[in-house]
Amino acid sequence: KAGVTQTPRYLIKTRGQQVTLSCSPISGHRSVSWYQQTPGQGLQFLFEYFSETQRNKGNFPGRFSGRQFSNSRSEMNVSTLELGDSALYLCASSLVGGASNEKLFFGSGTQLSVL
Amino acid sequence: GEDVEQSLFLSVREGDSSVINCTYTDSSSTYLYWYKQEPGAGLQLLTYIFSNMDMKQDQRLTVLLNKKDKHLSLRIADTQTGDSAIYFCAESDYGQNFVFGPGTRLSVLP
Repeated sequence: KAGVTQTPRYLIKTRGQQVTLSCSPISGHRSVSWYQQTPGQGLQFLFEYFSETQRNKGNFPGRFSGRQFSNSRSEMNVSTLELGDSALYLCASSLVGGASNEKLFFGSGTQLSVL
Repeated sequence: GEDVEQSLFLSVREGDSSVINCTYTDSSSTYLYWYKQEPGAGLQLLTYIFSNMDMKQDQRLTVLLNKKDKHLSLRIADTQTGDSAIYFCAESDYGQNFVFGPGTRLSVLP
């Protein structure tokens, strides 16, 4: 069974641009979560999608948005990029999210550098 | 809100045992997890423990849970250089609202 796939692996953008990151969950998984990882702040939760609906949201500005498609694939978008958005963006999938023995499975991440 | 704390660094000699500690605040945590992150990679689930257990062993890994003190530890026996990585402790409340610790960077010295 293929794992969580994130594309692209690396991205370099300049301030003010926008970026879209993609995540394909493990087959059969319907919940997709996004995290931002930086050396200073650690892992911070962005949002979680289930059945094409945003179910949970972290404390990030509205420039960060996401969506989920009917095949459970998810995208996140960051508009008007700032230098502080440079980070490793991790996607994680789980079966349904919210089940008592739920486990998160992570992709390798997209390393975004904003110049 | 919920919080998970870990020491940031640990160095051990190859062949020794490593013990990585974690404390959490959410008393309603049902599952606690250990993840491993190698350089340039995502997080890999190592093991997890249900909150009504106090120990779980999986090959070289032993997880100990003290629910009263909200303390979780991961022991790696016979630590190898390939174990060098960042280890994250995490807790969830019935599979929702995962909260991760800051990670402990384990360095294994030859």
